[in-house]
Amino acid sequence: EPEVTQTPSHQVTQMGQEVILRCVPISNHLYFYWYRQILGQKVEFLVSFYNNEISEKSEIFDDQFSVERPDGSNFTLKIRSTKLEDSAMYFCASQILGTGGTEAFFGQGTRLTVV
Amino acid sequence: AQTVTQSQPEMSVQEAETVTLSCTYDTSESDYYLFWYKQPPSRQMILVIRQEAYKQQNATENRFSVNFQKAAKSFSLKISDSQLGDAAMYFCAYRSPQGGSEKLVFGKGTKLTVNP
Repeated sequence: EPEVTQTPSHQVTQMGQEVILRCVPISNHLYFYWYRQILGQKVEFLVSFYNNEISEKSEIFDDQFSVERPDGSNFTLKIRSTKLEDSAMYFCASQILGTGGTEAFFGQGTRLTVV
Repeated sequence: AQTVTQSQPEMSVQEAETVTLSCTYDTSESDYYLFWYKQPPSRQMILVIRQEAYKQQNATENRFSVNFQKAAKSFSLKISDSQLGDAAMYFCAYRSPQGGSEKLVFGKGTKLTVNP
């Protein structure tokens, strides 16, 4: 069964360092998302990506964040200069369509720890 | 902005019994979509059930059903004949048909424990 895969499963980085979180969405999906969950908090939307451009981003997704689909299969989230408060579980998701009832398929998540 | 509230951080149920997980939401829209996602330990979130707001009939998927009360903005999940494999975090989510990105707005989740 096709699934969304994320790597690495856990990443520890020093404050101020750049990190890249990687996701391979399901191959025929067209809409891609990043969400994050700080421990004990809600899962929060970060950004959506369609047709090789950002379609929506939240206020969390500031200039330190960027997304890319460099090769038609990977979908990456880059944090340029990590802060302690970026420590969270980051989830990638993909959907085949953008219509409201469409199921979003999620990856297992990357736990990012900033020290 | 829409918000989703899950007031039960943790719930437990005996195997074979029935449990109901609560979810309320706040929106000014009349048409929208609601979802319950399940996240087993160390696994990805998977869709359990979805409901379209314009449909009055409550959605059902095997042992999972919802009680959708549009006026009360309530969307509870009922799990019948609970099984050990139902143990997971359950997230309620809202999606607006507006905005173009179809993002999900999640609640904080309810951790369900199933006791043998």
